[in-house]
Amino acid sequence: AQSVTQLDSQVPVFEEAPVELRCNYSSSVSVYLFWYVQYPNQGLQLLLKYLSGSTLVKGINGFEAEFNKSQTSFHLRKPSVHISDTAEYFCAVSEGGSARQLTFGSGTQLTVLP
Amino acid sequence: NAGVTQTPKFQVLKTGQSMTLQCAQDMNHEYMSWYRQDPGMGLRLIHYSVGAGITDQGEVPNGYNVSRSTTEDFPLRLLSAAPSQTSVYFCASSYGLAGAETQYFGPGTRLLVL
Repeated sequence: AQSVTQLDSQVPVFEEAPVELRCNYSSSVSVYLFWYVQYPNQGLQLLLKYLSGSTLVKGINGFEAEFNKSQTSFHLRKPSVHISDTAEYFCAVSEGGSARQLTFGSGTQLTVLP
Repeated sequence: NAGVTQTPKFQVLKTGQSMTLQCAQDMNHEYMSWYRQDPGMGLRLIHYSVGAGITDQGEVPNGYNVSRSTTEDFPLRLLSAAPSQTSVYFCASSYGLAGAETQYFGPGTRLLVL
């Protein structure tokens, strides 16, 4: 069975500083990997996803993530954060071939401080 | 397109009461699902549907029923509410079933069971 671990539940960072949100997964088969963002009192929306090919994936709002198969990681990065990036971020994994097997991590609350 | 809509936005129930959370999408998506979000636990899959007339259980189905009579609608029924069902409920949909598709989320229903 697949699982997702988000190593940090809360990440405070100052505005314009870089940030990395960590995600590790476990699965016995090939996977698809996702990062979703949830702004306060809203539903989730997709930031980016890795399906195959280049291991560096670029998403919306200047975010990017790198798939590392040997370390089973999919860390999310942004070189310079803004106040508006304050939100909860969820890493998710689905095992190839089944949308019904989408598993979410517990989430990381990113708070950008002025 | 309205995307994925959910009603009501907020609901307070007493233990033992029943209710239906409504979910509708206007994107002609095959796959629809219900998640609950609890602090520190991410999103957990309750039930899902791969098309009209077809539903199946997710990770935490106990206490919930679903049906899918049309492509657009996927209501979630709480038969006899319990305090453990206090949570935020999200409905999501996607075009395909292969696990690579983006999930589109509704804004959520916040449920308090007293």
